[in-house]
Amino acid sequence: DTVLTQSPALAVSPGERVTISCRASESVSTGMHWYQQKPGQQPKLLIYGASNLESGVPARFSGSGSGTDFTLTIDPVEADDTATYFCQQSWNDYTFGAGTKLELK
Amino acid sequence: EVQLVESGGGLVQPGRSMKLSCAASGFTFNNYDMAWVCQAPKKGLEWVATISYDGSSTYYRDSVKGRFTISRDNAKSTLYLQMDSLRSEDTATYYCARHVPFFDYWGQGVMVTVSS
Repeated sequence: DTVLTQSPALAVSPGERVTISCRASESVSTGMHWYQQKPGQQPKLLIYGASNLESGVPARFSGSGSGTDFTLTIDPVEADDTATYFCQQSWNDYTFGAGTKLELK
Repeated sequence: EVQLVESGGGLVQPGRSMKLSCAASGFTFNNYDMAWVCQAPKKGLEWVATISYDGSSTYYRDSVKGRFTISRDNAKSTLYLQMDSLRSEDTATYYCARHVPFFDYWGQGVMVTVSS
């Protein structure tokens, strides 16, 4: 299985820029996608194909990367962005990262 | 508006069976592959199974092969997951999702607890 590694947690202040990383154990080309999950809710698609913004998602969210290293950027961060963010690859079956919990200071 | 509504979860003993359903609306169901994704309590997400738009192809993660069966009824716009020989490690919230090959719409999830 392709293993996706994310940092476990981040804490930032509102208005700041935050980058959340995801590293794949093997190349997934641009088959990387990002989701936001708030407590008690289902995941929500933010970014697909590494850098494409899903319809209705604020332009504060952006994605980049290819191969094995990917980044989700939120700029500027707002209080409502408190959530866990998961990456997911679709190049070799379908696997998810363990998630990065974003907290606001 | 796309809606996916799961049902059928609950408490089940190890070794027993349970069938989940997912009623879809707001899109042309028989045009899309569909999937089940699970999330154990306080854990991450795991893809479970996918079925092609016409039901002709199915795909499973290794840990559920031979125990779980994904199916669909396009006339009823409904997705199913038959879970047999359940184990304690199958305890999770199960989400149905539209699979494109990322998961662009998700249901609210249904909890399955496997315990004696």
